[in-house]
Amino acid sequence: KAGVTQTPRYLIKTRGQQVTLSCSPISGHRSVSWYQQTPGQGLQFLFEYFSETQRNKGNFPGRFSGRQFSNSRSEMNVSTLELGDSALYLCASSGEETQYFGPGTRLLVL
Amino acid sequence: AQSVSQHNHHVILSEAASLELGCNYSYGGTVNLFWYVQYPGQHLQLLLKYFSGDPLVKGIKGFEAEFIKSKFSFNLRKPSVQWSDTAEYFCAVRPSAAGNKLTFGGGTRVLVKP
Repeated sequence: KAGVTQTPRYLIKTRGQQVTLSCSPISGHRSVSWYQQTPGQGLQFLFEYFSETQRNKGNFPGRFSGRQFSNSRSEMNVSTLELGDSALYLCASSGEETQYFGPGTRLLVL
Repeated sequence: AQSVSQHNHHVILSEAASLELGCNYSYGGTVNLFWYVQYPGQHLQLLLKYFSGDPLVKGIKGFEAEFIKSKFSFNLRKPSVQWSDTAEYFCAVRPSAAGNKLTFGGGTRVLVKP
């Protein structure tokens, strides 16, 4: 089976812009979760989607949003980017109980 | 809210030495426990997991972990490390009724000297 794929792998944006990141889960997996990884805060949970519905949400501002499509692919959007949003954004897909992570999208906000 | 604490931020050891990484969590209910590893330039990979049953679980690459419920701990061990074990290790906890929301520890960077 192919693993979790994320696009793009690298992204540079400027403050105030918005960005959309994409994640394709492992075939058959219906749950997709998103995490932010930074040197200062470590790995933090953003949200989880299951069968097109948000099932869990972390403690991030409303600028961070997501959605899931009927084929389980997911997107996350960050609006009005801030310098502190620079991070590695990881997507994880899960079939039953274990999450498998993608390579991440590295976002740099200038 | 649950939290996860990894005691060591950095560990340096020589090949063939034994490794033990500590992980403690705070949560009052039933949890599932995980150790993930991130090798340089690679994505997070699952080392092992504990859901129920035997508290000593074995994972890939010779790693094992022991769940001690009374101590809220899930320490990772490897009897003899190799240079290729150089990586960052993350402990993670998921309340068993919370979907797929993982809470991660801060990570431990392990450097194995050849």
